[in-house]
Amino acid sequence: EPEVTQTPSHQVTQMGQEVILRCVPISNHLYFYWYRQILGQKVEFLVSFYNNEISEKSEIFDDQFSVERPDGSNFTLKIRSTKLEDSAMYFCASSERRDTGELFFGEGSRLTVL
Amino acid sequence: AQSVTQPDIHITVSEGASLELRCNYSYGATPYLFWYVQSPGQGLQLLLKYFSGDTLVQGIKGFEAEFKRSQSSFNLRKPSVHWSDAAEYFCAANGGSQGNLIFGKGTKLSVKP
Repeated sequence: EPEVTQTPSHQVTQMGQEVILRCVPISNHLYFYWYRQILGQKVEFLVSFYNNEISEKSEIFDDQFSVERPDGSNFTLKIRSTKLEDSAMYFCASSERRDTGELFFGEGSRLTVL
Repeated sequence: AQSVTQPDIHITVSEGASLELRCNYSYGATPYLFWYVQSPGQGLQLLLKYFSGDTLVQGIKGFEAEFKRSQSSFNLRKPSVHWSDAAEYFCAANGGSQGNLIFGKGTKLSVKP
């Protein structure tokens, strides 16, 4: 069964460092998303991406964040200068359609900022 | 503002007992509704979804959910819980015109022997 894969599964970084989280969405999906879950809190929407551009972003997704689809398969989330409060589980998701909200999630990348 | 509420943070049930996890939503119109499950160290797996039509929807692993418009609820049920059902369960909604989901805070389910 096709699945969304994410790397790394866990990354530890120092505050101020750049981090890139990688995702390989399901191959025939057109819409891509990043969500995050701070420990003990809700899963929160960060950004959606379609046709090589951001289609929606939340207020969490500030200038420190960027997304890219550098080739036909990868979808990356970059945090330019990490802060302690960026420590969270980051989930990538993809979907075939935009309107149904039926998303397929990866297993997540846990980011720990020290 | 659109929101999804799961009033129970943690529920413990005995194996073999029935289960009901509560979910309420606040939206201008009826959204699409979902239940996801997250096992420890795993991603979010879709259990079931409601778009329209029959208000009782069946999902994987023996779960079902009932949409009640009058109560703005979409509660998840299972008649007999198995130890492997121990996980965190998230209710989510989508307004239908956008891709992003709004999640509830989750309910952690523990199953005792």
